[in-house]
Amino acid sequence: DQQVKQNSPSLSVQEGRISILNCDYTNSMFDYFLWYKKYPAEGPTFLISISSIKDKNEDGRFTVFLNKSAKHLSLHIVPSQPGDSAVYFCATSDAGKSTFGDGTTLTVKP
Amino acid sequence: DTGVSQNPRHKITKRGQNVTFRCDPISEHNRLYWYRQTLGQGPEFLTYFQNEAQLEKSRLLSDRFSAERPKGSFSTLEIQRTEQGDSAMYLCASSLVGAGWREQFFGPGTRLTVL
Repeated sequence: DQQVKQNSPSLSVQEGRISILNCDYTNSMFDYFLWYKKYPAEGPTFLISISSIKDKNEDGRFTVFLNKSAKHLSLHIVPSQPGDSAVYFCATSDAGKSTFGDGTTLTVKP
Repeated sequence: DTGVSQNPRHKITKRGQNVTFRCDPISEHNRLYWYRQTLGQGPEFLTYFQNEAQLEKSRLLSDRFSAERPKGSFSTLEIQRTEQGDSAMYLCASSLVGAGWREQFFGPGTRLTVL
């Protein structure tokens, strides 16, 4: 059973608009969540994270929201830029390892 | 520091052969992780080390897989008697226990193709 799910394989938005990427998890014991971005032929790169004691974390154009009761988190990118086009992975961190979703491919059109 | 490096970047082998991959983490990082990623999926955890100690192994890591980190620096992942199902991207990551340790820094990966 997949513990971290990203139900939208792809998302396309216009440059300058908001991108919203969603992620659901099943284990209420998870206490730390991360978003990674991946370009082709490169490894994932850490983007932003949030602890379960918070419901929002913001870093420039990127904001992550956590809804613990719904076991849901989302990544907002405002404004979206063509350079944001990549695969975005949601992940949890548990002791040592991370558990990843299957990713959402974001395409930002100029 | 140039980040996490992995060698080789690509490996093509015939079924039944053994392969070995190397990962060089960021020098001051004491944790090192191995993941496997197949097309359309996210990275799947295989194993991780803290210094030279292997602390956890996934059930995905069959007896044909072995990983080492002999001096707490670089690590190797060996796959014996490769099978076509082993074809995947093998990712290495590292982190530093302490503030922000949950953020992992990934290498570019080694793409394995088993014919």
